[in-house]
Amino acid sequence: EDKVVQSPLSLVVHEGDTVTLNCSYEVTNFRSLLWYKQEKKAPTFLFMLTSSGIEKKSGRLSSILDKKELFSILNITATQTGDSAVYLCAVLSGGSNYKLTFGKGTLLTVNP
Amino acid sequence: KAGVTQTPRYLIKTRGQQVTLSCSPISGHRSVSWYQQTPGQGLQFLFEYFSETQRNKGNFPGRFSGRQFSNSRSEMNVSTLELGDSALYLCASSPGTSGRVFDNEQFFGPGTRLTVL
Repeated sequence: EDKVVQSPLSLVVHEGDTVTLNCSYEVTNFRSLLWYKQEKKAPTFLFMLTSSGIEKKSGRLSSILDKKELFSILNITATQTGDSAVYLCAVLSGGSNYKLTFGKGTLLTVNP
Repeated sequence: KAGVTQTPRYLIKTRGQQVTLSCSPISGHRSVSWYQQTPGQGLQFLFEYFSETQRNKGNFPGRFSGRQFSNSRSEMNVSTLELGDSALYLCASSPGTSGRVFDNEQFFGPGTRLTVL
């Protein structure tokens, strides 16, 4: 059975800190890994990663995938209170009948 | 451009009833996907549609079904509701013509909160 595990489950930091969120996976026939940010209800797409070692960056957020060790990290530098959210990782796997498996998420709280 | 809209936003039903939820994608988007989110199971993929065809389905019983219309609007239906179907149902749309919603960025709607009593 495909598994996606995120750690930590929750994290509390102060504004200005740098955080690293982890996502490890065990799936059959990996295709891509996706990161989302969920604040109130609707998740917001952040990144899609398909190749190892290539960093994707958007402002203060960046992410990288390691297909050999089967994990990805999401880094947020100079955190702001607006970064407080649940960060979800999902892995797309399989062939033509693919599967999308989500992790449980990491709840990030950024205090002023 | 207007975002993804979902109706209704809140719904209360009783066990055994059926329910239909609606999703209107962003104009020009032809891919629509549906998700169920519960505190226990987290976010789970339900199904995906492109050009009125279901392209993929998650691991849900046959009581969960959906369809997509020629204008890309999509509906999902849950028959014979169970207490465990209480959840936030999210829909997302995606641009692109590959027919695979996850080849492109997905844009989520605000969700429909379904409560089954």
